Amino acid sequence: GESVGLHLPTLSVQEGDNSIINCAYSNSASDYFIWYKQESGKGPQFIIDIRSNMDKRQGQRVTVLLNKTVKHLSLQIAATQPGDSAVYFCAGSPGGYQKVTFGIGTKLQVIP
Amino acid sequence: DAGVIQSPRHEVTEMGQEVTLRCKPISGHNSLFWYRQTMMRGLELLIYFNNNVPIDDSGMPEDRFSAKMPNASFSTLKIQPSEPRDSAVYFCASSLAGGSYEQYFGPGTRLTVT
Repeated sequence: GESVGLHLPTLSVQEGDNSIINCAYSNSASDYFIWYKQESGKGPQFIIDIRSNMDKRQGQRVTVLLNKTVKHLSLQIAATQPGDSAVYFCAGSPGGYQKVTFGIGTKLQVIP
Repeated sequence: DAGVIQSPRHEVTEMGQEVTLRCKPISGHNSLFWYRQTMMRGLELLIYFNNNVPIDDSGMPEDRFSAKMPNASFSTLKIQPSEPRDSAVYFCASSLAGGSYEQYFGPGTRLTVT
C-alpha cells in the first residue's frame, strides 16, 4: 500500500528577511518551552528556551514569544541566512526531570 | 569536549537479529535520553535516565526494546528481535539536570532492518 509520512509545514524565506516559525501546544502543564534546529543528517541542536512565566526571550538573532492565553509559541529569526535552513522543532516540558515532548517540526527554506 | 558519541553510525541487519546501539554522554551530564525519529512519527522519546536510573520508559514501544545505563558514561539501547518497522534514526542526548533544558544530541544511528 501507499506509505504515508508526516507532512512537515514548510516556510520559504528570502535571505536577509526575518522568519517567523509558529507552534501551537495543547498541554497546559508545560512549564518550559524549547526550540531546536535540526540540519539534514544531524541531531537536533538547542536554540533557546523560555519558561512559562515569561512571554519573551531573546538570543543571538532569535526571539521566542510565548502566548499562554492562546497556547502559542513562535520563533523569530532576524536576517535569515542560508545556514538557517533546517527543520525547527518546538518542544515542551513540565519540568522536573526534563522530559521533553517534541512537535512535528517546520522546515525552513532560505532562498539565496 | 567531543559531544555525545553514538555507535555505530549506521547499522543494517536482518529481521530477527539482535541490535545494540551505544551512547556515551557528555562528561558531567546526569540525564540521558534515547529518541527515535521516523518520517511517520517524527521524534519520539523512548526512555530517559537521571543519575543512571530509568525515570520514564513509557515511550519504549514494546518488550523487544530495552535500555541500560550501567554507569554515568555509557548507555545501550537493545532491540531483540529486530523487525523492519524498527528502521529509524535513533538519537541519544544528554543534559545537566537542574540547568537549562538544553539537551545535547548525538549524531544518531541510522538503523535499517531488512
